[in-house]
Amino acid sequence: TQLLEQSPQFLSIQEGENLTVYCNSSSVFSSLQWYRQEPGEGPVLLVTVVTGGEVKKLKRLTFQFGDARKDSSLHITAAQPGDTGLYLCAGRGSGYALNFGKGTSLLVTP
Amino acid sequence: DTGVSQDPRHKITKRGQNVTFRCDPISEHNRLYWYRQTLGQGPEFLTYFQNEAQLEKSRLLSDRFSAERPKGSFSTLEIQRTEQGDSAMYLCASSLGSAGGSIGELFFGEGSRLTVL
Repeated sequence: TQLLEQSPQFLSIQEGENLTVYCNSSSVFSSLQWYRQEPGEGPVLLVTVVTGGEVKKLKRLTFQFGDARKDSSLHITAAQPGDTGLYLCAGRGSGYALNFGKGTSLLVTP
Repeated sequence: DTGVSQDPRHKITKRGQNVTFRCDPISEHNRLYWYRQTLGQGPEFLTYFQNEAQLEKSRLLSDRFSAERPKGSFSTLEIQRTEQGDSAMYLCASSLGSAGGSIGELFFGEGSRLTVL
């Protein structure tokens, strides 16, 4: 099982602040995905990054895949309360399993 | 089809009892995954089906757990002789397999929450 380490584990910020969360591994992934999960619901896909060094933007969210395809980051600009949730990175190694990190729990207060 | 549905949403059982969860994936999706999630943690992979074939099963999964997808459509996850440590949210996800074996988007159900007393 390829281990995905996410940091920080918890993050509490005020509306309007910027933040970055990280996803790191010692393994190389052909692609990584980021999901967001709200309480009582299943995770929902935000983005898939495939190419080393790739940067993808989704409104106020910017995703980056490391050059070596071992790590990824998610940057949120001007966070809003609606961004509150559990942010999960996921990658598939040599098998079929899509393995998730433990997640970063984000709380954005008004 | 409105998405992945799971049943029941909540199950409370006594230690030692057997429980079964059902997952109905999005109809055209050939890939189906089961995950277990505890509070504040990410989903932990349990098993994977491609059509009716169970192609991967986590080594962490004890032999008390069994899953089926008999006709390549709905799936069931059974836990025999439940233990308190089995208390968790059991998530099902489905996806459409794509050429080249890329991940594709996983669509999750809302989960079945198990409490073992």
